[in-house]
Amino acid sequence: EDKVVQSPLSLVVHEGDTVTLNCSYEVTNFRSLLWYKQEKKAPTFLFMLTSSGIEKKSGRLSSILDKKELFSILNITATQTGDSAIYLCAVRGAGNEKLTFGTGTRLTIIP
Amino acid sequence: GAVVSQHPSRVICKSGTSVKIECRSLDFQATTMFWYRQFPKQSLMLMATSNEGSKATYEQGVEKDKFLINHASLTLSTLTVTSAHPEDSSFYICSARDGTGSPLHFGNGTRLTVT
Repeated sequence: EDKVVQSPLSLVVHEGDTVTLNCSYEVTNFRSLLWYKQEKKAPTFLFMLTSSGIEKKSGRLSSILDKKELFSILNITATQTGDSAIYLCAVRGAGNEKLTFGTGTRLTIIP
Repeated sequence: GAVVSQHPSRVICKSGTSVKIECRSLDFQATTMFWYRQFPKQSLMLMATSNEGSKATYEQGVEKDKFLINHASLTLSTLTVTSAHPEDSSFYICSARDGTGSPLHFGNGTRLTVT
């Protein structure tokens, strides 16, 4: 059974700080790892990672995957209050359409 | 980008009634859609995979007679919660992808409250 573990479960930092969110996984025939941001409603897509060592970047957010050690990190630099959300990590195995989600990291940015 | 629309966004119903939730792919065709459920402060749990023109595939522990799924067209899947009970109160989210290997895109979810 596919498994995704995220840490920390929650994190509270001050605006301007940099945060690193962790995601480790076990999946049969890994295909991709995805990061989502969830505020009050449904998750919005951030990144999809398929190859090790290639950093994906979007503004202040970046993510990288290590397929040997089976983990990924999501970095957010110069955090803003609008970054407060639950960040979800999910994995997809080959031949499997569905995603398995971790429990998420609840990030709170204090002004 | 791919847009998934879900309706209604919020519904309150009495115990014993049935509730239908619609999920539409607005700018792409989706042969497969996914229905997730999320309890407060918990992650998304896959309930079932909806397949256009055929029966849905349910995850272990999900009652198919209670959560009826119909995927009658390439842009519409519906989830009907039959004979709802208070323990069915939850956040239900549908999702779809617009191509093989593409990320899942989610609807805005439906918050169901059964009184």
